Amino acid sequence: QQQVKQSPQSLIVQKGGISIINCAYENTAFDYFPWYQQFPGKGPALLIAIRPDVSEKKEGRFTISFNKSAKQFSLHIMDSQPGDSATYFCAASISSGSARQLTFGSGTQLTVLP
Amino acid sequence: DAGVTQSPTHLIKTRGQQVTLRCSPKSGHDTVSWYQQALGQGPQFIFQYYEEEERQRGNFPDRFSGHQFPNYSSELNVNALLLGDSALYLCASSLTVLYNEQFFGPGTRLTVL
Repeated sequence: QQQVKQSPQSLIVQKGGISIINCAYENTAFDYFPWYQQFPGKGPALLIAIRPDVSEKKEGRFTISFNKSAKQFSLHIMDSQPGDSATYFCAASISSGSARQLTFGSGTQLTVLP
Repeated sequence: DAGVTQSPTHLIKTRGQQVTLRCSPKSGHDTVSWYQQALGQGPQFIFQYYEEEERQRGNFPDRFSGHQFPNYSSELNVNALLLGDSALYLCASSLTVLYNEQFFGPGTRLTVL
């Protein structure tokens, strides 16, 4: 019930194309859904996040679409660039009342070809 | 503004040894969480510290313990190291304990031989 399932495992996109990464969750107590970008040898960097009362959030070329009834959310990267090549993780956050923890998906390795 | 810092960058230990990893949170943050990231996987929550107390723990054995100091910095200790403990250990800080955004440090790469 704590799992977050992410797909695809890897994705290859041409420069200028749209990259789409999908995630699904089971626990309806999750109340915050961030996406992280991780380059080799670095820690994850917060990219964009959404709350379940919002269906879409856009920041620059990055958009999160959220479907509460289907318990699914996705990251869209418009006009993908070679510099976007990295591993992307979706996550879901839950509060126990005295703490908050993130549950991560398994990651998507994105390669943007020049 | 310094982000989350971690030390050391890399560490090599042998099975059965003990290791201590260190983390300084982002300026103004008082909550620290630790995550383990095995190669090719997403980070797994170990525990969260706030007000020098462990507030929440993930599915990790008691060999994993931690500490938070009055200046909000934190240590992760792992005893009786196993080969399977080889991973990137990430520290994340947040403004306060129930705040949503968590900011990660660069991690400590632990190799157990």
